[in-house]
Amino acid sequence: EDQVTQSPEALRLQEGESSSLNCSYTVSGLRGLFWYRQDPGKGPEFLFTLYSAGEEKEKERLKATLTKKESFLHITAPKPEDSATYLCAVLDSGNTGKLIFGQGTTLQVKP
Amino acid sequence: DTEVTQTPKHLVMGMTNKKSLKCEQHMGHRAMYWYKQKAKKPPELMFVYSYEKLSINESVPSRFSPECPNSSLLNLHLHALQPEDSALYLCASSQQGHQPQHFGDGTRLSIL
Repeated sequence: EDQVTQSPEALRLQEGESSSLNCSYTVSGLRGLFWYRQDPGKGPEFLFTLYSAGEEKEKERLKATLTKKESFLHITAPKPEDSATYLCAVLDSGNTGKLIFGQGTTLQVKP
Repeated sequence: DTEVTQTPKHLVMGMTNKKSLKCEQHMGHRAMYWYKQKAKKPPELMFVYSYEKLSINESVPSRFSPECPNSSLLNLHLHALQPEDSALYLCASSQQGHQPQHFGDGTRLSIL
Protein backbone atom coordinates (compact mmCIF):
# COMPACT_ATOMS: atom_id res chain seq x y z
CA GLU A 1 0.00 0.00 0.00
CA ASP A 2 1.27 3.47 -0.92
CA GLN A 3 2.07 5.45 2.21
CA VAL A 4 3.72 8.73 3.24
CA THR A 5 4.79 9.54 6.80
CA GLN A 6 6.07 12.94 7.88
CA SER A 7 7.95 13.82 11.04
CA PRO A 8 7.93 15.64 13.28
CA GLU A 9 4.24 16.55 13.46
CA ALA A 10 5.13 20.00 14.80
CA LEU A 11 8.40 21.90 15.04
CA ARG A 12 9.20 25.13 16.85
CA LEU A 13 12.40 26.95 15.95
CA GLN A 14 14.03 30.20 16.89
CA GLU A 15 14.76 32.53 14.02
CA GLY A 16 18.07 31.47 12.49
CA GLU A 17 17.95 27.95 13.94
CA SER A 18 18.36 25.52 11.02
CA SER A 19 16.57 22.15 10.97
CA SER A 20 15.15 19.43 8.72
CA LEU A 21 11.73 17.92 8.09
CA ASN A 22 11.45 14.26 7.17
CA CYS A 23 9.17 12.51 4.69
CA SER A 24 9.33 8.71 4.50
CA TYR A 25 7.48 7.01 1.68
CA THR A 26 6.46 3.56 0.54
CA VAL A 27 5.40 3.36 -3.09
CA SER A 28 6.02 0.88 -5.86
CA GLY A 29 8.17 2.74 -8.39
CA LEU A 30 8.47 6.39 -7.39
CA ARG A 31 7.19 8.62 -10.17
CA GLY A 32 7.47 11.89 -8.30
CA LEU A 33 7.72 13.34 -4.79
CA PHE A 34 6.35 16.81 -4.15
CA TRP A 35 6.79 19.34 -1.36
CA TYR A 36 4.12 21.94 -0.66
CA ARG A 37 3.77 24.79 1.81
CA GLN A 38 0.33 25.61 3.16
CA ASP A 39 -0.58 28.75 5.09
CA PRO A 40 -3.78 28.86 7.20
CA GLY A 41 -6.87 29.38 5.05
CA LYS A 42 -4.91 28.99 1.80
CA GLY A 43 -4.34 26.23 -0.69
CA PRO A 44 -1.05 24.31 -0.82
CA GLU A 45 1.71 26.20 -2.61
CA PHE A 46 3.99 24.06 -4.76
CA LEU A 47 7.66 24.13 -3.71
CA PHE A 48 9.63 21.27 -5.26
CA THR A 49 9.41 18.11 -7.34
CA LEU A 50 11.97 15.32 -6.97
CA TYR A 51 12.01 12.34 -9.28
CA SER A 52 15.07 10.23 -8.53
CA ALA A 53 17.34 9.35 -5.61
CA GLY A 54 20.21 11.77 -5.20
CA GLU A 55 18.28 14.67 -6.67
CA GLU A 56 18.35 18.02 -4.82
CA LYS A 57 16.37 21.22 -5.34
CA GLU A 58 16.91 24.58 -3.67
CA LYS A 59 14.89 27.75 -3.25
CA GLU A 60 15.95 30.57 -0.94
CA ARG A 61 16.28 29.05 2.55
CA LEU A 62 14.80 25.68 1.54
CA LYS A 63 16.56 22.66 0.13
CA ALA A 64 14.87 19.35 -0.68
CA THR A 65 16.75 16.07 -1.03
CA LEU A 66 15.66 12.57 -1.99
CA THR A 67 16.84 9.03 -1.23
CA LYS A 68 15.21 5.72 -2.13
CA LYS A 69 13.15 5.72 1.06
CA GLU A 70 12.79 9.32 2.21
CA SER A 71 13.04 12.99 1.47
CA PHE A 72 14.26 15.82 3.64
CA LEU A 73 13.31 19.47 3.55
CA HIS A 74 16.20 21.41 5.04
CA ILE A 75 15.48 24.91 6.32
CA THR A 76 18.55 27.10 6.75
CA ALA A 77 18.40 30.14 9.03
CA PRO A 78 14.59 30.26 9.03
CA LYS A 79 12.62 33.47 9.41
CA PRO A 80 9.17 33.93 11.00
CA GLU A 81 7.63 34.12 7.52
CA ASP A 82 8.67 30.50 6.97
CA SER A 83 6.05 29.47 9.54
CA ALA A 84 3.52 27.22 7.78
CA THR A 85 2.50 23.60 7.36
CA TYR A 86 4.76 21.69 4.99
CA LEU A 87 3.19 18.81 3.10
CA CYS A 88 4.96 15.97 1.33
CA ALA A 89 3.20 13.88 -1.32
CA VAL A 90 4.02 11.11 -3.79
CA LEU A 91 2.25 10.00 -6.93
CA ASP A 92 0.46 6.72 -6.41
CA SER A 93 1.84 3.52 -7.93
CA GLY A 94 -1.35 3.00 -9.93
CA ASN A 95 -0.36 5.69 -12.45
CA THR A 96 -3.63 7.56 -11.90
CA GLY A 97 -2.12 10.96 -11.09
CA LYS A 98 -3.39 10.65 -7.53
CA LEU A 99 -1.26 12.31 -4.84
CA ILE A 100 -0.72 10.45 -1.56
CA PHE A 101 -0.13 13.09 1.11
CA GLY A 102 1.61 12.83 4.44
CA GLN A 103 -0.03 14.38 7.50
CA GLY A 104 2.22 17.43 7.30
CA THR A 105 4.69 19.18 9.60
CA THR A 106 3.58 22.44 11.17
CA LEU A 107 6.56 24.75 11.53
CA GLN A 108 6.58 27.76 13.83
CA VAL A 109 9.57 30.11 13.71
CA LYS A 110 9.78 32.57 16.57
CA PRO A 111 11.63 35.89 16.26
CA ASP B 1 -1.66 35.12 -6.09
CA THR B 2 -2.38 31.63 -7.41
CA GLU B 3 -2.96 30.78 -11.06
CA VAL B 4 -5.92 28.59 -10.15
CA THR B 5 -8.92 30.72 -9.25
CA GLN B 6 -11.77 29.40 -7.13
CA THR B 7 -15.12 31.03 -6.42
CA PRO B 8 -16.71 31.69 -4.07
CA LYS B 9 -14.12 31.95 -1.30
CA HIS B 10 -16.74 31.23 1.35
CA LEU B 11 -20.12 29.52 1.12
CA VAL B 12 -22.73 28.85 3.78
CA MET B 13 -25.65 26.66 2.77
CA GLY B 14 -28.48 24.69 4.27
CA MET B 15 -28.82 20.96 3.82
CA THR B 16 -31.59 21.37 1.23
CA ASN B 17 -29.83 23.95 -0.93
CA LYS B 18 -28.19 23.47 -4.32
CA LYS B 19 -25.00 25.39 -5.02
CA SER B 20 -21.94 25.16 -7.24
CA LEU B 21 -18.24 25.71 -6.71
CA LYS B 22 -16.21 27.01 -9.64
CA CYS B 23 -12.57 26.65 -10.59
CA GLU B 24 -10.67 28.23 -13.48
CA GLN B 25 -7.12 27.88 -14.75
CA HIS B 26 -5.41 29.45 -17.75
CA MET B 27 -2.11 27.58 -17.67
CA GLY B 28 -3.14 25.18 -20.44
CA HIS B 29 -3.18 22.28 -18.00
CA ARG B 30 -5.07 19.18 -19.14
CA ALA B 31 -5.68 17.53 -15.76
CA MET B 32 -7.89 19.07 -13.07
CA TYR B 33 -8.70 17.84 -9.59
CA TRP B 34 -11.11 18.36 -6.70
CA TYR B 35 -9.89 17.81 -3.14
CA LYS B 36 -11.59 18.05 0.24
CA GLN B 37 -9.57 19.20 3.25
CA LYS B 38 -10.69 19.06 6.87
CA ALA B 39 -8.96 21.07 9.58
CA LYS B 40 -5.41 19.92 10.42
CA LYS B 41 -5.61 17.12 7.82
CA PRO B 42 -4.03 16.80 4.38
CA PRO B 43 -6.13 17.18 1.23
CA GLU B 44 -8.17 14.13 0.18
CA LEU B 45 -8.71 13.50 -3.51
CA MET B 46 -12.32 13.48 -4.71
CA PHE B 47 -12.26 13.61 -8.53
CA VAL B 48 -9.78 13.76 -11.40
CA TYR B 49 -10.52 15.04 -14.88
CA SER B 50 -8.05 14.30 -17.65
CA TYR B 51 -8.60 15.95 -21.03
CA GLU B 52 -12.09 16.95 -19.84
CA LYS B 53 -13.11 13.39 -19.06
CA LEU B 54 -13.71 12.07 -15.56
CA SER B 55 -10.92 9.59 -14.90
CA ILE B 56 -11.13 9.08 -11.12
CA ASN B 57 -14.03 9.20 -8.69
CA GLU B 58 -12.80 8.32 -5.21
CA SER B 59 -16.14 6.81 -4.14
CA VAL B 60 -17.55 10.25 -3.45
CA PRO B 61 -21.25 10.43 -2.47
CA SER B 62 -23.60 11.39 -5.29
CA ARG B 63 -24.54 14.63 -3.52
CA PHE B 64 -21.26 15.90 -5.04
CA SER B 65 -21.42 16.12 -8.83
CA PRO B 66 -18.40 17.31 -10.83
CA GLU B 67 -18.50 18.88 -14.26
CA CYS B 68 -15.78 19.96 -16.68
CA PRO B 69 -17.34 22.26 -19.32
CA ASN B 70 -14.00 22.90 -21.06
CA SER B 71 -10.27 22.53 -20.49
CA SER B 72 -10.09 25.68 -18.32
CA LEU B 73 -13.13 25.22 -16.11
CA LEU B 74 -14.14 22.79 -13.43
CA ASN B 75 -17.35 22.88 -11.42
CA LEU B 76 -18.53 20.99 -8.36
CA HIS B 77 -22.30 20.88 -7.96
CA LEU B 78 -23.59 20.41 -4.42
CA HIS B 79 -26.98 19.12 -3.37
CA ALA B 80 -28.44 17.91 -0.06
CA LEU B 81 -25.13 18.12 1.77
CA GLN B 82 -24.61 16.99 5.35
CA PRO B 83 -22.94 18.92 8.20
CA GLU B 84 -19.89 16.61 7.93
CA ASP B 85 -19.35 17.95 4.41
CA SER B 86 -18.22 21.25 5.89
CA ALA B 87 -14.58 21.65 4.80
CA LEU B 88 -12.18 23.51 2.53
CA TYR B 89 -12.69 22.41 -1.08
CA LEU B 90 -9.59 22.75 -3.19
CA CYS B 91 -9.19 22.69 -6.93
CA ALA B 92 -5.86 21.86 -8.58
CA SER B 93 -4.51 21.48 -12.08
CA SER B 94 -1.44 19.94 -13.70
CA GLN B 95 0.05 19.71 -17.16
CA GLN B 96 -0.10 15.93 -17.09
CA GLY B 97 -0.69 13.32 -14.39
CA HIS B 98 2.94 13.17 -13.26
CA GLN B 99 3.59 16.92 -13.25
CA PRO B 100 3.20 19.09 -10.14
CA GLN B 101 -0.35 19.98 -9.21
CA HIS B 102 -1.04 23.67 -8.62
CA PHE B 103 -3.76 24.49 -6.13
CA GLY B 104 -6.24 27.30 -5.77
CA ASP B 105 -6.96 28.85 -2.38
CA GLY B 106 -10.16 26.89 -2.01
CA THR B 107 -13.77 27.46 -1.08
CA ARG B 108 -14.56 27.32 2.64
CA LEU B 109 -17.91 25.51 2.81
CA SER B 110 -20.13 25.48 5.88
CA ILE B 111 -23.28 23.37 6.02
CA LEU B 112 -25.92 24.50 8.51
